[in-house]
Amino acid sequence: RKEVEQDPGPFNVPEGATVAFNCTYSNSASQSFFWYRQDCRKEPKLLMSVYSSGNEDGRFTAQLNRASQYISLLIRDSKLSDSATYLCVVPSGSARQLTFGSGTQLTVLP
Amino acid sequence: ETGVTQTPRHLVMGMTNKKSLKCEQHLGHNAMYWYKQSAKKPLELMFVYNFKEQTENNSVPSRFSPECPNSSHLFLHLHTLQPEDSALYLCASSEGQGHTEAFFGQGTRLTVV
Repeated sequence: RKEVEQDPGPFNVPEGATVAFNCTYSNSASQSFFWYRQDCRKEPKLLMSVYSSGNEDGRFTAQLNRASQYISLLIRDSKLSDSATYLCVVPSGSARQLTFGSGTQLTVLP
Repeated sequence: ETGVTQTPRHLVMGMTNKKSLKCEQHLGHNAMYWYKQSAKKPLELMFVYNFKEQTENNSVPSRFSPECPNSSHLFLHLHTLQPEDSALYLCASSEGQGHTEAFFGQGTRLTVV
């Protein structure tokens, strides 16, 4: 199993839709998880941190399932500006460095 | 305005050139990182520094040489690169190594010709 694995995408959804991405991780000892957003040709930026069972911030909800070792990101009422690549990030390895998933590309269509 | 600044933003270099990438963070963080992002590939961790000490070298070729003179500055010295080294090189910092979110600079887009 890859250390961090994400839905392959791409996801093309209409404005106003609800979309969910999943991410699985292999390191059962991981305590914290992150979702980053990366716009085209820009640097990744932190979207949400997840330290317990989940986190909610406006239209964005992240959920953690430790038993199944996956985290999800739910986006409600999608906006055009939500179009980006969403990266799942999990500390892993002996040095607990951040390991990035390959990302899921989202395009919100008018 | 970003707390992590990288220069230059763009760099074109020949295979025999020597150049350096610079990263500076103004966040008071103790850990700094170099990542490589190639087209259609996930971010690859290259080096980790924690309190100025290198704690991780992710099997990076010796033509990439990092330097961390203090907790605020990180360099990546480049020499005799190959065309396949062309990529976006991202610097990041975090409060401590692991378990805390990282903040990225805008990256240096490197083209090796």
